[in-house]
Amino acid sequence: ETGVTQTPRHLVMGMTNKKSLKCEQHLGHNAMYWYKQSAKKPLELMFVYSLEERVENNSVPSRFSPECPNSSHLFLHLHTLQPEDSALYLCASSQGPHSGQGANEQFFGPGTRLTVL
Amino acid sequence: AQSVTQLDSHVSVSEGTPVLLRCNYSSSYSPSLFWYVQHPNKGLQLLLKYTSAATLVKGINGFEAEFKKSETSFHLTKPSAHMSDAAEYFCVVSDGNTGKLIFGQGTTLQVKP
Repeated sequence: ETGVTQTPRHLVMGMTNKKSLKCEQHLGHNAMYWYKQSAKKPLELMFVYSLEERVENNSVPSRFSPECPNSSHLFLHLHTLQPEDSALYLCASSQGPHSGQGANEQFFGPGTRLTVL
Repeated sequence: AQSVTQLDSHVSVSEGTPVLLRCNYSSSYSPSLFWYVQHPNKGLQLLLKYTSAATLVKGINGFEAEFKKSETSFHLTKPSAHMSDAAEYFCVVSDGNTGKLIFGQGTTLQVKP
């Protein structure tokens, strides 16, 4: 049990659908992250939120729209996705880089397996 | 800039034999280093971390790693592999300023009976 939960665990959607992925952390952290993990590729950092403000957006297409309403919740809104967006989407949280907590390891959720038809 | 290279994409061992997963890093200052494990269709779990304290770091499930600055390496070892160790392993370096994690390509560990 990592303290980071993600729903749904599996999602199948068509290219014209709109859906949202949800992440919740119960660890009291102040930074949250979205990663994309595709087969045979390294983890790709998509977005970083620190203290509910987006601090990084790694050139992610606008069909992915993150939302962080508070420090415990993070959403990824999806619309008009492409088949190549099929992947495992991982959420993580940490104490953030300026907390004085040392190495700032990230704690990961189980991921949402997304399939775009 | 920080980077990390995992030298083997796939390692196969027999149950009960030692495990060695190799990792080299590049960092302009004293890095924080991690090993994460990912079992099929699961998220990543932290195995161990190095944060400039002891160079030999012990983690969960009998794994350990040694930080060698002269070799810029942080290899992961375990004396005796178990079937449940079969998974994907990621070596990771942290950017101390941003907290951003830079992941290696991953090493798939296969454990044969």
